[in-house]
Amino acid sequence: KQEVTQIPAALSVPEGENLVLNCSFTDSAIYNLQWFRQDPGKGLTSLLLIQSSQREQTSGRLNASLDKSSGRSTLYIAASQPGDSATYLCAVGRGYKYIFGTGTRLKVLA
Amino acid sequence: GAVVSQHPSWVICKSGTSVKIECRSLDFQATTMFWYRQFPKQSLMLMATSNEGSKATYEQGVEKDKFLINHASLTLSTLTVTSAHPEDSSFYICSARDQASGATGELFFGEGSRLTVL
Repeated sequence: KQEVTQIPAALSVPEGENLVLNCSFTDSAIYNLQWFRQDPGKGLTSLLLIQSSQREQTSGRLNASLDKSSGRSTLYIAASQPGDSATYLCAVGRGYKYIFGTGTRLKVLA
Repeated sequence: GAVVSQHPSWVICKSGTSVKIECRSLDFQATTMFWYRQFPKQSLMLMATSNEGSKATYEQGVEKDKFLINHASLTLSTLTVTSAHPEDSSFYICSARDQASGATGELFFGEGSRLTVL
């Protein structure tokens, strides 16, 4: 059974810091991994999608890496801003199903 | 990016009533949609996979008679919470993937529906 864990569960940083969010999964037989952002009481916004054959994806200040063999992915956020404050979720996909991680609640202080 | 619309965004109902939530893919077709439930400060848990033109597939522990799913077209799936009780109060989110992108395509989510059962 696939289990997805995110560390840390919560993170508070001053504005401008670079930070790394971690996602680990137990079954490396995945099709892809997707990072999402969720604001309080809202749905999910897709940030980055990494296919199983890819090592990383970049979008603006965000960079996500994938090491399938070790069951790990990281989301790197450069020059963090207060507007980045949200919960970040990773999800691993196999077939049509996604299993979500526990989430990291990020707060960027102005 | 692709848009998934969910309605209503919030609903309050009395215990024992039924509530229907709609999920629409606005600019793509989806043979498969997914329904998730999220309790406060917890992650998303997959409830069921909605299949166009056939029965939904429910995850272990999810009562299919309580959470009725209908996927009558390639752009619409509905979740009906029957005889709702306070413990059904939760945030329900649907998602869909463009069928043209296959099993590895990006998953798009609706804005969610917050259900409160009094």
